[in-house]
Amino acid sequence: KNEVEQSPQNLTAQEGEFITINCSYSVGISALHWLQQHPGGGIVSLFMLSSGKKKHGRLIATINIQEKHSSLHITASHPRDSAVYICAVDDSWGKLQFGAGTQVVVTP
Amino acid sequence: EADIYQTPRYLVIGTGKKITLECSQTMGHDKMYWYQQDPGMELHLIHYSYGVNSTEKGDLSSESTVSRIRTEHFPLTLESARPSHTSQYLCASTEGPYNEQFFGPGTRLTVL
Repeated sequence: KNEVEQSPQNLTAQEGEFITINCSYSVGISALHWLQQHPGGGIVSLFMLSSGKKKHGRLIATINIQEKHSSLHITASHPRDSAVYICAVDDSWGKLQFGAGTQVVVTP
Repeated sequence: EADIYQTPRYLVIGTGKKITLECSQTMGHDKMYWYQQDPGMELHLIHYSYGVNSTEKGDLSSESTVSRIRTEHFPLTLESARPSHTSQYLCASTEGPYNEQFFGPGTRLTVL
């Protein structure tokens, strides 16, 4: 059983819609990462969180350490947001455990 | 933009060949990682290093080996490639445990 669970697995939204991706984990962590992977395979780090909330442009990430849960929100979604979004937890030595990813497709 | 590089980007080879996947970063990071990702599956840590002459195996068992002779360079070697090694291999580095990880573009390996 994966110690990092993401939902949903797949998500299709129309341009402009608000998108939420959830991540739950069962291990102790020092930080949680949200990553974006495009079809070419390259991975970009979006956020690293250890508490509270972070915002970057149209992206918002929150984490509740007590409930071992994090969410990634995309406001006013756009077709260029189409990608796989991956949650990963950090054991404090930089060794990441990854969720299975959420495939997001935003249609015009 | 992250200064972490991987070569080759794509590699198709026959069974039994020895291969080395290169990873270099110019950020002076001590911590470097190799991840493996099968198509449509999640990433798994296969090797990591916390500095020169330090290497450890990750959570996923791998027949590959790594070395860290210089801070900026973390190559991965397969002595005898097999079709089961077909996968994408991603290298990453970080300044520390509370910092973001920077990923290389990956190497897509196909073993025939």
